[in-house]
Amino acid sequence: KAGVTQTPRYLIKTRGQQVTLSCSPISGHRSVSWYQQTPGQGLQFLFEYFSETQRNKGNFPGRFSGRQFSNSRSEMNVSTLELGDSALYLCASSVGHGAQETQYFGPGTRLLVL
Amino acid sequence: AQTVTQSQPEMSVQEAETVTLSCTYDTSESNYYLFWYKQPPSRQMILVIRQEAYKQQNATENRFSVNFQKAAKSFSLKISDSQLGDTAMYFCAFLNRDDKIIFGKGTRLHILP
Repeated sequence: KAGVTQTPRYLIKTRGQQVTLSCSPISGHRSVSWYQQTPGQGLQFLFEYFSETQRNKGNFPGRFSGRQFSNSRSEMNVSTLELGDSALYLCASSVGHGAQETQYFGPGTRLLVL
Repeated sequence: AQTVTQSQPEMSVQEAETVTLSCTYDTSESNYYLFWYKQPPSRQMILVIRQEAYKQQNATENRFSVNFQKAAKSFSLKISDSQLGDTAMYFCAFLNRDDKIIFGKGTRLHILP
């Protein structure tokens, strides 16, 4: 099976712009979670989608939003970009639930905001 | 290809016991970072401990310590005096110079009362 794929792999934007990142989960996986990785804050949870519904949400401002499509692919959108949004954005797809869940991480999208 | 392997999908220990979670990795690089993250059901990722490969001294954070064996490419996490609040999924992760981060599949740890 192909792994989790994320596009684009690298992105450069300027402050005030918006950006959309895409994540394609492993075939058959219905849950997709998004994380932000920065040197200072480490890895922080953004949100989780399951069957097109947001199931869980981290502590990020409303500028960060996401959605999931019927084929389980997910997109994450950041509006009005700030310099501090520069980070590696990771997506993980998972199968199973609760104690049986296993997450598989994608390679990430590196976003640089200038 | 760089990989991270956590060979224990699930573990259970009694409260107050010491538990060791194993992690091995494969890389040809000499400079990199290794992490252990704790993920409770809320899905928040909590950085437990971080190790820089060029530092031979094992990192320690309170009850958490690592046994870093660079030649063996092993990075195990030891939790001493385990507490109920330590129950979580633990991820081992590798970060290379190009900022590529690779996660293991995780170890689900249960601390039993």
